[in-house]
Amino acid sequence: DQQVKQNSPSLSVQEGRISILNCDYTNSMFDYFLWYKKYPAEGPTFLISISSIKDKNEDGRFTVFLNKSAKHLSLHIVPSQPGDSAVYFCAALLGGGADGLTFGKGTHLIIQP
Amino acid sequence: NAGVTQTPKFRILKIGQSMTLQCTQDMNHNYMYWYRQDPGMGLKLIYYSVGAGITDKGEVPNGYNVSRSTTEDFPLRLELAAPSQTSVYFCASSIGQGGYGYTFGSGTRLTVV
Repeated sequence: DQQVKQNSPSLSVQEGRISILNCDYTNSMFDYFLWYKKYPAEGPTFLISISSIKDKNEDGRFTVFLNKSAKHLSLHIVPSQPGDSAVYFCAALLGGGADGLTFGKGTHLIIQP
Repeated sequence: NAGVTQTPKFRILKIGQSMTLQCTQDMNHNYMYWYRQDPGMGLKLIYYSVGAGITDKGEVPNGYNVSRSTTEDFPLRLELAAPSQTSVYFCASSIGQGGYGYTFGSGTRLTVV
């Protein structure tokens, strides 16, 4: 049973445009949601997080939106740059959180010149 | 600042062999985690630790063991390697629970033949 779902295995966006990566979840008890970026042969890198009590968090070019009623979150990257080409993982954390993040399968973002 | 260091980066094991994947962090983080990533899949939690002397099972602990004798080190032991353990293994640490994000190592790519 997959609690965190990223239904788009890949996404292609032109440089300078907006990239929108989507994530759905099933467990309403998740307290935090996080986005990670991963380049080949490297470990994931933390990008941005959002608490379940908020609906938006922004950090530079990255904004995460949370819609609790729809159990849906999205990561917006504006403007998209070539270095943004990577695999993006959505992850969720239960209250208490000591037992680790639950990850989605990832979306491969490709920024076209 | 090295962050999270994993060794080795690559390893080929024969079925039935054993090995230890090393993980060290220099950030004085209490929380440490071991994940595995299979092709096209998200990361799955193997074991985690909330501090020295304390470990607990994650989602996929079978075939693995861990120990946490110091804050810095969290080795993962594979006993009687099986082809199903072919994967990329990531160690991570965090300062606490919540939306802080984890710091990941660069991974160990293990092949069991």
